[in-house]
Amino acid sequence: AQSVAQPEDQVNVAEGNPLTVKCTYSVSGNPYLFWYVQYPNRGLQFLLKYITGDNLVKGSYGFEAEFNKSQTSFHLKKPSALVSDSALYFCAVRDIYDYKLSFGAGTTVTVRA
Amino acid sequence: GAGVSQSPSNKVTEKGKDVELRCDPISGHTALYWYRQSLGQGLEFLIYFQGNSAPDKSGLPSDRFSAERTGGSVSTLTIQRTQQEDSAVYLCADEPYNEQFFGPGTRLTVL
Repeated sequence: AQSVAQPEDQVNVAEGNPLTVKCTYSVSGNPYLFWYVQYPNRGLQFLLKYITGDNLVKGSYGFEAEFNKSQTSFHLKKPSALVSDSALYFCAVRDIYDYKLSFGAGTTVTVRA
Repeated sequence: GAGVSQSPSNKVTEKGKDVELRCDPISGHTALYWYRQSLGQGLEFLIYFQGNSAPDKSGLPSDRFSAERTGGSVSTLTIQRTQQEDSAVYLCADEPYNEQFFGPGTRLTVL
């Protein structure tokens, strides 16, 4: 079985401040981890993934995420948030021997000017 | 096209009617997925295609739901005798490089 927890329903930050969106996961084997972003009335847009290798993964729009195996976490970060980063963010996981993604419930990020 | 496309973008139907939702993946991508996004259930896996075969249909919520894929390309998700709880956004994704790229979705509203 595989699952994802996003402990925060909402994250509010001021523009220019660091942004962190938390994610923890559970899989029976080794994980593939993903972050997606969803803007209102739009589909899911891929941000970044961890497959193997360097624990710090860099993705689109200045986002990065750090894979921490001991803490089973994959938190999304951005050093300096923009108002345009306001959206719904989903963390997803799959076991390397599986194919279907399991998603967290999502975290709504609001960046105020 | 530049990505996965889905049609229609919105569908409003009456309870008891059948609906068909279409997904056009990027040409040559053999893996295709359907997911459903609803307020109460979040994002749920429905079905996975590898080519024209569906090795995993475990996410289909009832026998009113079915899907097919032809020519290793277009996929159709059919919901028979729609119910109000079927109201959701239905998302299709393909998978070129270990990541799934999603289409814009079809918003289904069952009245």
